[in-house]
Amino acid sequence: LAKTTQPISMDSYEGQEVNITCSHNNIATNDYITWYQQFPSQGPRFIIQGYKTKVTNEVASLFIPADRKSSTLSLPRVSLSDTAVYYCLVGESGTYKYIFGTGTRLKVLA
Amino acid sequence: DTEVTQTPKHLVMGMTNKKSLKCEQHMGHRAMYWYKQKAKKPPELMFVYSYEKLSINESVPSRFSPECPNSSLLNLHLHALQPEDSALYLCASSQGQTSHEQYFGPGTRLTVT
Repeated sequence: LAKTTQPISMDSYEGQEVNITCSHNNIATNDYITWYQQFPSQGPRFIIQGYKTKVTNEVASLFIPADRKSSTLSLPRVSLSDTAVYYCLVGESGTYKYIFGTGTRLKVLA
Repeated sequence: DTEVTQTPKHLVMGMTNKKSLKCEQHMGHRAMYWYKQKAKKPPELMFVYSYEKLSINESVPSRFSPECPNSSLLNLHLHALQPEDSALYLCASSQGQTSHEQYFGPGTRLTVT
């Protein structure tokens, strides 16, 4: 099962673009990469998922290079309400087994 | 309805008590999960039910006993817990193996005294 590594914390200012990178060197061929957001005392919330290249939805973009050994979550123009912990997960192919990374605590400053 | 509900929100129990946590979803999801989360740590997978059958048990102590009475309900029965079992217990559901998008409930904050 691929282990993920993320920065422990990041600070940003409102209106800036934030990029959070996750390293997953041992990712398997069929594994997908998923990102979740979690606010204090709440359950995680799905943000985005991808397999390769680039995926974009209404809240974020996910960039995955060709070797898939890392991925970058991009949050455009963050606001104070984006202050949360962001988790990168690599899903084990063919099972329901997902291991959360250590998470990145993002603090958005006014 | 994209909501996963969990009851109770808070639970305080002694080490000799027996209690249960409940989780419910009405999204037609066929996989349901229990996670344990300690403060400032990521959620740790405990159990996975797939089509109402236990699919994954991450070597969880037997004092935690999961149950899936039907496709919408998931219980976690607790007995003889230890203070170190105090944590936020999260339930989640997903469509199936082809979707890695899990929907999480708000969790039950458990304190073992």
